[in-house]
Formats: sequence, C-alpha cells, structure tokens
Amino acid sequence: GAVVSQHPSRVICKSGTSVKIECRSLDFQATTMFWYRQFPKQSLMLMATSNEGSKATYEQGVEKDKFLINHASLTLSTLTVTSAHPEDSSFYICSARDPGRTDTQYFGPGTRLTVL
Amino acid sequence: GNSVTQMEGPVTLSEEAFLTINCTYTATGYPSLFWYVQYPGEGLQLLLKATKADDKGSNKGFEATYRKETTSFHLEKGSVQVSDSAVYFCALSLPSGGSYIPTFGRGTSLIVHP
Repeated sequence: GAVVSQHPSRVICKSGTSVKIECRSLDFQATTMFWYRQFPKQSLMLMATSNEGSKATYEQGVEKDKFLINHASLTLSTLTVTSAHPEDSSFYICSARDPGRTDTQYFGPGTRLTVL
Repeated sequence: GNSVTQMEGPVTLSEEAFLTINCTYTATGYPSLFWYVQYPGEGLQLLLKATKADDKGSNKGFEATYRKETTSFHLEKGSVQVSDSAVYFCALSLPSGGSYIPTFGRGTSLIVHP
C-alpha cells in the first residue's frame, strides 16, 4: 500500500513555543491531506483538510490561527502548532488520499506532542 | 448525518479464538466501508475495505462483508493471535464536495492472551 511518513514521531516542547509537524506521501502525489487529533483511548477527530496550493479547510471549533497548515507541494503538508500550551498535548495523525483511489486514505504513523 | 457505531471494548480473547467486532453505519448515499487497525503508539493502517453491497474485504485472515440491508460491516477472524492485539476502527467514506472525508467509529480495543 501507499506510504505516508510523519516527522517527528515525538516532540516535547515548552509552553509558548511553536512546533512544526511534517507529513509526506512517499510514493504517490497527494493533492489532499488530512490532519487528525487523537485523545487517549478515543477516536480520531478531523481537524482540517489540506489542499495543495490553496488554503486549508478547518473543521468547526478548530482554531486556524492556532493550527497553521501549509500544503506547499504534492508530497508535503505541515501542521504548525503555534504558542503551544499543555492542552495541545495529543497524538496528531496525518493522512493522504491517493488520487488513484479517491475513497481510500493512507495514514502516517502519528506524532506524539507533549507540551510542558 | 453520517455515523459509525462500533461495539464497545475491550474485547478479550484467548489465542485461536473466533473474533467478531460489530460495526453498523448510517449514511446518506452509498459509502465505501473500511476497517483500520492501530497498534500501540502507531498511526492507523488500512486493514480491509469494501466499496459496494455484498463485497467482502479480506486481509491477514480478517474479513468483513458489506451488508446494505442491515447497514453493517462486521469484522471477523477465525483464529486470533496475540499479535492481533490492537485497536480496530470501522469507518465509512462518502464524497463531500469532491473530497472523500471518512467518518470513524470510536474504536474497539482487542486484547488477545496466549
């Protein structure tokens, strides 16, 4: 199946700093990528849809100025958590939609963010 | 709106037992249906999918059949292994404005003992 990578896998930062998470599709071009947040023992919450070359579409209740998304190329989307606070600590997962199989998404391994 | 309901876990089984994890859905239109598996500390992996009624998805001994009449997509495996211990997510996907955005169930934790 298609491969999606995320970097870093874990990050610990101080409150007030910004953290950037990268999501890459390794063997296909992804015009659309998705960012999710997962709380312990819970399902995935869709945060935003990232479209290459245009602005991201955020889900209701997600602060776009807090979670900056950039999809500058067909293989890379980034999520920047700005001025992070302890309540932003979570597991962030990205996924990419293979244009050849529009109904199927391939997920990255996730990034564990801990804000002290 | 669209929704996916999964049986609550954890499901605890002994090795070689038969597994069923129930999943039902509500959707407008004709969704594609998926099962994803999440191992501890990892992202989600696509386990299997089915795109139309009566289709059977299968992979690694797991299988699920798309039942339109009962709006279900139950996951089954004849003989589980300890390595199958993970969280399993049922999901549906429908086109929305040209984009397929999935709807996930809450996940069902499976624990397999030796």
